[in-house]
Amino acid sequence: ELKVEQNPLFLSMQEGKNYTIYCNYSTTSDRLYWYRQDPGKSLESLFVLLSNGAVKQEGRLMASLDTKARLSTLHITAAVHDLSATYFCAATPIIYGGSQGNLIFGKGTKLSVKP
Amino acid sequence: DGGITQSPKYLFRKEGQNVTLSCEQNLNHDAMYWYRQDPGQGLRLIYYSQIVNDFQKGDIAEGYSVSREKKESFPLTVTSAQKNPTAFYLCASSIWLTGEQYFGPGTRLTVT
Repeated sequence: ELKVEQNPLFLSMQEGKNYTIYCNYSTTSDRLYWYRQDPGKSLESLFVLLSNGAVKQEGRLMASLDTKARLSTLHITAAVHDLSATYFCAATPIIYGGSQGNLIFGKGTKLSVKP
Repeated sequence: DGGITQSPKYLFRKEGQNVTLSCEQNLNHDAMYWYRQDPGQGLRLIYYSQIVNDFQKGDIAEGYSVSREKKESFPLTVTSAQKNPTAFYLCASSIWLTGEQYFGPGTRLTVT
């Protein structure tokens, strides 16, 4: 059974600092997603990572995937207040050699960026 | 504009009543999903559907029911059998079952 763990669950940062959120998953998965959620709102897709070594960047956020280590990271560079939100990673389980469509989510990392 | 709509945004019900949450998409996606989110938790899958007239149970289907009579619509009924129905409910869709999922704005259900 696929399990997804994120750490840290809470992160308080100062503006301008760098930090990394980690996402470990327990069994083979061939795609990894990162989502952002603002308080009381829905999920916004940030990145889709489909292969080992994949790296994607958007603004101050960069996501990477290491399928051998079953690890994805979301790196924040020079944080700004607007990045304050909860970030979720999610993976799709592979059953009988193919991906299932449902996503297994981590519990989320609540990021707070302070001036 | 293509997208996913959920209604209502907020829903209040008395314990023991069934309630139906609406989810409509005009993205021409084949697959649709229902998730539940509790405070401080990730999302958990309730039901999903790959095609019209077919749907599968997710991890927490007990106390819920769905239908998929049209490609665009995937309503979720929260029955009185669901022990803790108060939660934030999110509907999603994707082009096919393994595609990237897009989420609707959510319905916050409170049962007292």
